[in-house]
Amino acid sequence: ETGVTQTPRHLVMGMTNKKSLKCEQHLGHNAMYWYKQSAKKPLELMFVYSLEERVENNSVPSRFSPECPNSSHLFLHLHTLQPEDSALYLCASSPGVYTEAFFGQGTRLTVV
Amino acid sequence: GIQVEQSPPDLILQEGANSTLRCNFSDSVNNLQWFHQNPWGQLINLFYIPSGTKQNGRLSATTVATERYSLLYISSSQTTDSGVYFCAVSNTGNQFYFGTGTSLTVIP
Repeated sequence: ETGVTQTPRHLVMGMTNKKSLKCEQHLGHNAMYWYKQSAKKPLELMFVYSLEERVENNSVPSRFSPECPNSSHLFLHLHTLQPEDSALYLCASSPGVYTEAFFGQGTRLTVV
Repeated sequence: GIQVEQSPPDLILQEGANSTLRCNFSDSVNNLQWFHQNPWGQLINLFYIPSGTKQNGRLSATTVATERYSLLYISSSQTTDSGVYFCAVSNTGNQFYFGTGTSLTVIP
């Protein structure tokens, strides 16, 4: 049982599709994050939210669009992705921004 | 940003053996975490250890912040310990920086 839940676990989408990744945390944390993990590369921070406000956007292409409707939920909206966007997308939460982080199970995304 | 180097990059152990994984970082930090990434991709928290020593069962970790390194010890390894171990560091108000991990394979 994890305090951070991601859905779906696996996603295959075409380059013209629109899909969304969902993350929910049950830990009462104030900060939530999206990370991208590609093969043989360190985790890359994509977005950070604190109390539903975006505090960091690490030069992520606009085809990735985050949404944080409340402090427990985080979405990543995807559209017109490229094959190189195929990766494991991980959501995390922490009590405060950049404090001890807890991760979800990840969504393995394949763009075809 | 902070550079994080982990060693060794790959490690193969016989079940029951002990191992030490190392994490070096290039700047002072006040947050450090060790994670185990299981075969399904989830990052599992092992230790939050900005300084000092902690133990949890067969695993223990030591961080010497003044010398900018941390060590993760795995004793009596089991096949379920296989996976990738990541170190992540940050300093106040700044993002976590991850190393490229140590890939551990424990063979029966």
